Amino acid sequence: GGIITQTPKFLIGQEGQKLTLKCQQNFNHDTMYWYRQDSGKGLRLIYYSITENDLQKGDLSEGYDASREKKSSFSLTVTSAQKNEMAVFLCASSMAGDWQAPLFGEGTRLSVL
Amino acid sequence: GDSVTQTEGQVALSEEDFLTIHCNYSASGYPTLFWYVQYPGEGPQLLFRASRDKEKGSSRGFEATYDKGTTSFHLRKASVQESDSAVYYCALSDRGSNNRIFFGDGTQLVVKP
Repeated sequence: GGIITQTPKFLIGQEGQKLTLKCQQNFNHDTMYWYRQDSGKGLRLIYYSITENDLQKGDLSEGYDASREKKSSFSLTVTSAQKNEMAVFLCASSMAGDWQAPLFGEGTRLSVL
Repeated sequence: GDSVTQTEGQVALSEEDFLTIHCNYSASGYPTLFWYVQYPGEGPQLLFRASRDKEKGSSRGFEATYDKGTTSFHLRKASVQESDSAVYYCALSDRGSNNRIFFGDGTQLVVKP
């Protein structure tokens, strides 16, 4: 079976630091997504990509960069970590088409000191 | 633009109670609708989906019926268990949305024994 692997699982950063989160999927899915989830809050879309080398901005793209250099991987960079920031970053992937439901990884938990 | 509204932020029930979580949507086309469940420390996982008017999706005792007339996809379960405690998300995907998935804000279900 397939799997979505997010690394690292836990990330502790310093204020102002550039931090990179990685996501790998072996489903051969076309579309990949990055969401941010704050404690007790919903899912906010940061970036998504419908194919290799494609990038689409979500509602929360300011302060982030993303890169889809291979079909199987999608990375997210926090360009400047904010002090006391705490959130979970969730990666997801799906086949193309509106019928296809995204599958999610387990998340990367970020804390900024 | 497309959107999903979940009325309840939190629902507290006792075991064997009847559950309803309301989901209403707004979409320009004929969307596919999803319910996801998220347990603590995990990513959201798909419960079920529906793509046609009057279609019923169901899984693990949960069910929802696609209603184009009222633009709704309410989640119901006849008798909840403590193990159903989780966050539930309603979502939609629209053919015109370029593979983007729109999530509601989520509903925290707490079931007391």
